[in-house]
Amino acid sequence: EVVMTQSPATLSVSPGERATLSCRASQSVSSYLAWYQQKPGQAPRLLIYGASTRATGIPARFSGSGSGTEFTLTISSLQSEDFAVYYCQQCDDWPLTFGGGTKVEIK
Amino acid sequence: QVQLVQSGAEVKEPGASVKVSCKASGYTFTSWYIHWVRQAPGRGLEWMGIINPSGGSASYAQKFQGRVTMTRDTSTSTVYMELSSLRSEDTALYYCAREGGGGSGSSNWFDPWGQGTLVTVSS
Repeated sequence: EVVMTQSPATLSVSPGERATLSCRASQSVSSYLAWYQQKPGQAPRLLIYGASTRATGIPARFSGSGSGTEFTLTISSLQSEDFAVYYCQQCDDWPLTFGGGTKVEIK
Repeated sequence: QVQLVQSGAEVKEPGASVKVSCKASGYTFTSWYIHWVRQAPGRGLEWMGIINPSGGSASYAQKFQGRVTMTRDTSTSTVYMELSSLRSEDTALYYCAREGGGGSGSSNWFDPWGQGTLVTVSS
């Protein structure tokens, strides 16, 4: 199965600053990668699919990039509502697999 | 709007089975596949499998083969996930999620998700 590795595990950022989250796949998944945001007590919410396409209603401050094995989620200017856990997921092959998550916390 | 509403929390003893439901609304039920994903307390996300609500065929992650069964009822737009031979490690939030994109199994990302069903396995 494709192993997804996210880094860092925790990212401390001040409001208004940029956050850069990384996701690595153990083998190429082309552009078949999605990103989700999960807040405490809530289900995950789709942010990005196809590595770089924002889902409906997702603000433009969220952007995704990468292909093959290296991917990045960037939040250009962190708002208070963006502090959460972020997961990447490969959509290329079954079993579908997720990274371990990056917690974005207030610095 | 597209919505998935799951059944309520369950407490089961080790060795028992649990059946979780996921009722869909706001779209054509048979046109989008449904996935099941679980999340142990304080842990990450784990994909369990997928069901095609149109024909009822399902595919499961190898880890759950032989213990999980996914079914659907088209008359009520509901899918079910049954997990048997429960053990303490199965304590988790279980989510259903619709495939994204245009449906018919064309996408393997999830949007939207149900609210989750907590299954607790304890003697």
